[in-house]
Amino acid sequence: NAGVTQTPKFRILKIGQSMTLQCAQDMNHNYMYWYRQDPGMGLKLIYYSVGAGITDKGEVPNGYNVSRSTTEDFPLRLELAAPSQTSVYFCASSHRDRDPDTQYFGPGTRLTVL
Amino acid sequence: QQQVKQSPQSLIVQKGGISIINCAYENTAFDYFPWYQQFPGKGPALLIAIRPDVSEKKEGRFTISFNKSAKQFSLHIMDSQPGDSATYFCAASKYDKLIFGSGTRLLVRP
Repeated sequence: NAGVTQTPKFRILKIGQSMTLQCAQDMNHNYMYWYRQDPGMGLKLIYYSVGAGITDKGEVPNGYNVSRSTTEDFPLRLELAAPSQTSVYFCASSHRDRDPDTQYFGPGTRLTVL
Repeated sequence: QQQVKQSPQSLIVQKGGISIINCAYENTAFDYFPWYQQFPGKGPALLIAIRPDVSEKKEGRFTISFNKSAKQFSLHIMDSQPGDSATYFCAASKYDKLIFGSGTRLLVRP
């Protein structure tokens, strides 16, 4: 199993540009999450999904959108990039029935908005 | 509002020493308290976790102490090793959503 994979690893955007951060998991997990990690601030939940077709906002959803059309994939969309979105983004997943409390994280995407 | 407060921000320990990281939470509805370990360039990984019905949990050199009345919990790393050098995050959970502390950067000197 590859676990949780994220692409790209690094990206530089100009203000106002758009992009999609990709996240996929091959563990048949039903729950998936997007976090951002800012220096000295820990991880903040952006959006999460409890299954295909179901998404909900976390602590810091403004400026982002998500979709969950399949169990495996959970892309995060930035529509109009702003410098405040410079951060490291982590995707995570968990299985609600087998091991609901353990979240497995991907390696992250480092995004810089200039 | 910071629901989970973590201290210290950074910690330097000699090899063989004890590393102690503390966290305090506000919401008494939290029912799961994990610690995550993160190495540079990697995603966080679950290290050890505890539920509020026990006061201590030990796994190898890692121990969580939990004080429900004080709403505090701590991670103790015994016999700290250079390979333990990483950033440690405490977290608290309710309804499958984690609230993370701000992290502690641990450096264990040889």
